[in-house]
Amino acid sequence: EVQLLESGGGLVQPGGSLRLSCGASGFTFNNYAMTWVRQAPGKGLEWVSDISASGGGTFYADSVKGRFTISRDNSRNTLYLQMNSLRAEDTAVYYCAKGDQVLGGYFDYWGQGTLVTVSS
Amino acid sequence: EIVVTQSPATLSLSPGERATLSCRASQSVSSYLAWYQQKPGQSPRLLMYDASNRATGIPVRFSGSGSGTDFTLTISSLEPEDCAVYYCLQRSSWPRTFGQGTKLEIK
Repeated sequence: EVQLLESGGGLVQPGGSLRLSCGASGFTFNNYAMTWVRQAPGKGLEWVSDISASGGGTFYADSVKGRFTISRDNSRNTLYLQMNSLRAEDTAVYYCAKGDQVLGGYFDYWGQGTLVTVSS
Repeated sequence: EIVVTQSPATLSLSPGERATLSCRASQSVSSYLAWYQQKPGQSPRLLMYDASNRATGIPVRFSGSGSGTDFTLTISSLEPEDCAVYYCLQRSSWPRTFGQGTKLEIK
């Protein structure tokens, strides 16, 4: 059974940093791309970032480019999102999701999400 | 960036009725479109991929069609548990973009 478990969310001040983690199990982690998607309170889904199965390819939404960094540790079956220079508009539930290909596929399994609140 | 627009914003129907949800892309995405269902308090779930393929475990009352810029998700006979927000996602190019969602209410 595929399981994705996010952690690392919480309350942070504007301009601060936070690192999210997503532990994966139930599939061969290094065979699949991974993704972060966020959802602001009461709003729709927003794609944030993709990383290829090897970690060699990364893609970002314009809204986070230069501030967020996606990475993965295939030896630990873990996905990360380093978030710097956080803004109020980054407040959201952050979901990690498994891709169905090495790169560029669909998101076929999702975690339960972790809430990030950016506020003073 | 490809803009994805869903309609209607809200749909209110009775059990047993047919639901038709639309998704339009600002440029062709070929068949690289998925539909997701999100129930209150839950994570999204993949329903359809490549426009017309049901994901694992999805009931046959869900079907998808379309290609290019216009796509449709049809629920043939609504069940109370179909109450959710439905999103489409294009994977034709980066940045990936979701539609704004259609909220389906069951009377």
